[in-house]
Amino acid sequence: SQTIHQWPATLVQPVGSPLSLECTVEGTSNPNLYWYRQAAGRGLQLLFYSVGIGQISSEVPQNLSASRPQDRQFILSSKKLLLSDSGFYLCAWSEGGSNEQFFGPGTRLTVL
Amino acid sequence: QKEVEQNSGPLSVPEGAIASLNCTYSDRVSQSFFWYRQYSGKSPELIMSIYSNGDKEDGRFTAQLNKASQYVSLLIRDSQPSDSATYLCAVRNSWGKFQFGAGTQVVVTP
Repeated sequence: SQTIHQWPATLVQPVGSPLSLECTVEGTSNPNLYWYRQAAGRGLQLLFYSVGIGQISSEVPQNLSASRPQDRQFILSSKKLLLSDSGFYLCAWSEGGSNEQFFGPGTRLTVL
Repeated sequence: QKEVEQNSGPLSVPEGAIASLNCTYSDRVSQSFFWYRQYSGKSPELIMSIYSNGDKEDGRFTAQLNKASQYVSLLIRDSQPSDSATYLCAVRNSWGKFQFGAGTQVVVTP
């Protein structure tokens, strides 16, 4: 069966500091991978998605970036965090031709 | 107009009753529809997917889709306290992108 991991689970960072969140998927090959952000009381906002190694599509212009160095690894980064970057960051995966998306446990980021 | 709209709630439901959640979407040619359950502080969990008009039942959950009215609903029968959560409606639009509603909070009262 497939499993998706995210770490860290929680993170508190000062404004202006860098960020690196990691997501890995087990039990599947060549998945589509997604990064979402969920602000308090709001819906999910798609940030990035990837259909393969090195292939990243950005949905929202911002100070975040994503990379996919390996087939089942997806990384979300920032060089300088803003207060508005606080939120619940969720990684999700789907089979290439499948409709269904499955979420990882998430990382709760607080920027102070 | 939001692409996927849900009533934010909270929807208070007595234990054992039916909870009825509604969702409307704006992209007329969307083909895939999903319901996720999200407990407080946790990530969303897929509970139902529906692709054609009509009803789809899975245990105590029934999803209903009406593409002509651009409307999808979720019924939870015999509601239990463990059903207390926020339910997210998701639509895969004509571009293949997922759009999520902000969610409906359900509170099941003993």
